Amino acid sequence: DAGVTQSPTHLIKTRGQQVTLRCSPKSGHDTVSWYQQALGQGPQFIFQYYEEEERQRGNFPDRFSGHQFPNYSSELNVNALLLGDSALYLCASSSPGLGTQYFGPGTRLLVL
Amino acid sequence: AQKVTQAQTEISVVEKEDVTLDCVYETRDTTYYLFWYKQPPSGELVFLIRRNSFDEQNEISGRYSWNFQKSTSSFNFTITASQVVDSAVYFCALSAGNTPLVFGKGTRLSVIA
Repeated sequence: DAGVTQSPTHLIKTRGQQVTLRCSPKSGHDTVSWYQQALGQGPQFIFQYYEEEERQRGNFPDRFSGHQFPNYSSELNVNALLLGDSALYLCASSSPGLGTQYFGPGTRLLVL
Repeated sequence: AQKVTQAQTEISVVEKEDVTLDCVYETRDTTYYLFWYKQPPSGELVFLIRRNSFDEQNEISGRYSWNFQKSTSSFNFTITASQVVDSAVYFCALSAGNTPLVFGKGTRLSVIA
């Protein structure tokens, strides 16, 4: 039973560029959440997708957008990258309702 | 609003010592869930335990145990006979109502051989 997978594992971009991160949920899960974890901090909630719609959103600007596909996989897009966007981006999946969130290995983004 | 405080930023212990990681939470909801996750150097958050607000029973799983006390809004985590493999950052998290997870800042545990 595959767990949550994310790609790529590492990414280097320059300011102003755009980036797309991908996530495949754990088998049987239909809800995907994205978190940003800055160095030395706890993860911060970006948004959550369910039934291909954004269900909840944290305090992040519109430069952060996402998508969920019919197979429940998800993408996180960040436009006009800033140096402060450098972080570990974590994807978590859960089953319907208040299921426990299981996390993927993350994508480390470095913005130069 | 929900808040989780992990006052211990870093803890260092010698192998085989017991260690307790503290977690204090704030919420006005009567129904909520508390979690502990482990983050090894690889970065992946590993789920350890979930406890709902109506179940104050302490739980033990091998060398791990959790003490949930609503009276003090605490959900502390104890590792007995620590091992080097326990070295990681540990996060306490809270989900109340239908809100997403709110994490503490984490406690970095170093177990020295």
